[in-house]
Amino acid sequence: GQQVMQIPQYQHVQEGEDFTTYCNSSTTLSNIQWYKQRPGGHPVFLIQLVKSGEVKKQKRLTFQFGEAKKNSSLHITATQTTDVGTYFCAGSRHNNDMRFGAGTRLTVKP
Amino acid sequence: NAGVTQTPKFQVLKTGQSMTLQCAQDMNHNSMYWYRQDPGMGLRLIYYSASEGTTDKGEVPNGYNVSRLNKREFSLRLESAAPSQTSVYFCASSEAVTQYFGPGTRLTVT
Repeated sequence: GQQVMQIPQYQHVQEGEDFTTYCNSSTTLSNIQWYKQRPGGHPVFLIQLVKSGEVKKQKRLTFQFGEAKKNSSLHITATQTTDVGTYFCAGSRHNNDMRFGAGTRLTVKP
Repeated sequence: NAGVTQTPKFQVLKTGQSMTLQCAQDMNHNSMYWYRQDPGMGLRLIYYSASEGTTDKGEVPNGYNVSRLNKREFSLRLESAAPSQTSVYFCASSEAVTQYFGPGTRLTVT
């Protein structure tokens, strides 16, 4: 079955350092989504990537979708304390078949 | 708009007891979902409903049943709770790309 692996499981950074989380699928995806979950909160949609090699930016966040549509990454430049939370990728092969990665928990030391 | 609401927020059950988790959305979305979230495992899809009157199994449906009561409401029932069902349960709805999550129900089965 479809598997979505995400690494690292945890990342602790000093405020101002960069952060990257990686997502890999065992199968080719039709699209990948990224979500952020603050401690004690619920997942909140960040972005969807659909095209091979696609790169999208949201302020300090850069999202990439691999050429083979089997991997993706989220990069945060110059982390801030407000970036704290768990970042999940979720890959789909078709509608209503979205599989979430285990998430990367980011902590930021001020 | 309240978005996606879930009740109850917390619940403790004894093994073998039954209960229903309630979910409602006021965004007129066709699709609704139930996920469970366990530490280190991300979110796993239990059941989904692509439209009113239809339901389908997700990745981990065993031990659960669902009812799409109307377009707004999608309930999850545990007929005979087991300790392995201790988890945080999230309901979500979507119309196209974005899934909107409710605040979650933290369920403990002793």
